[in-house]
Amino acid sequence: GAGVSQSPRYKVAKRGQDVALRCDPISGHVSLFWYQQALGQGPEFLTYFQNEAQLDKSGLPSDRFFAERPEGSVSTLKIQRTQQEDSAVYLCASSLRLAGDEQYFGPGTRLTVT
Amino acid sequence: GDSVTQMEGPVTLSEEAFLTINCTYTATGYPSLFWYVQYPGEGLQLLLKATKADDKGSNKGFEATYRKETTSFHLEKGSVQVSDSAVYFCALFKNRGSTLGRLYFGRGTQLTVWP
Repeated sequence: GAGVSQSPRYKVAKRGQDVALRCDPISGHVSLFWYQQALGQGPEFLTYFQNEAQLDKSGLPSDRFFAERPEGSVSTLKIQRTQQEDSAVYLCASSLRLAGDEQYFGPGTRLTVT
Repeated sequence: GDSVTQMEGPVTLSEEAFLTINCTYTATGYPSLFWYVQYPGEGLQLLLKATKADDKGSNKGFEATYRKETTSFHLEKGSVQVSDSAVYFCALFKNRGSTLGRLYFGRGTQLTVWP
């Protein structure tokens, strides 16, 4: 079946613009995660959903970052008033049930803020 | 806090050479340990895992043993192939309560294998 998909794959935004990044998890997967991967670094946890409930948002770096999963499937990560330090690859992952189940990663969205 | 430290790259080897990528961790309790691989242009894929001390994870000729006494989870392969060229990430999963938890990743090690 289809894996985790993300769109767009590449996004260039001018500083101060708002962006929205989409994640389509594997069908039926309950858990969904967002990670931020800066150049040359490993992924850093941003937030976690179980179905539509956002159970952990402690990794979001500022209140400019907002994530939602209103129907428990597709998720959107929104960044308001983008800054240069937001430039990174944003990864989405889903797992079948719990946070501790194997996570399947999407290809990521590369965001460049100019 | 919880963290993973892995060997800095890049690592360049000839085909059929022996590979070791070092990984150590800091965590309280009993985390699960993972190696993920990222091939060029693709998403992260789980390579192998170990969930308790002395467990050995293995897949595609790669192995890693969960050593609690040295807080390590080094990745090894006896004979690498050109197709193993990728970035390898060591990670730990730490439960936070019954429903929460997160992965902590190392910085990644770029492996290039020459024919």
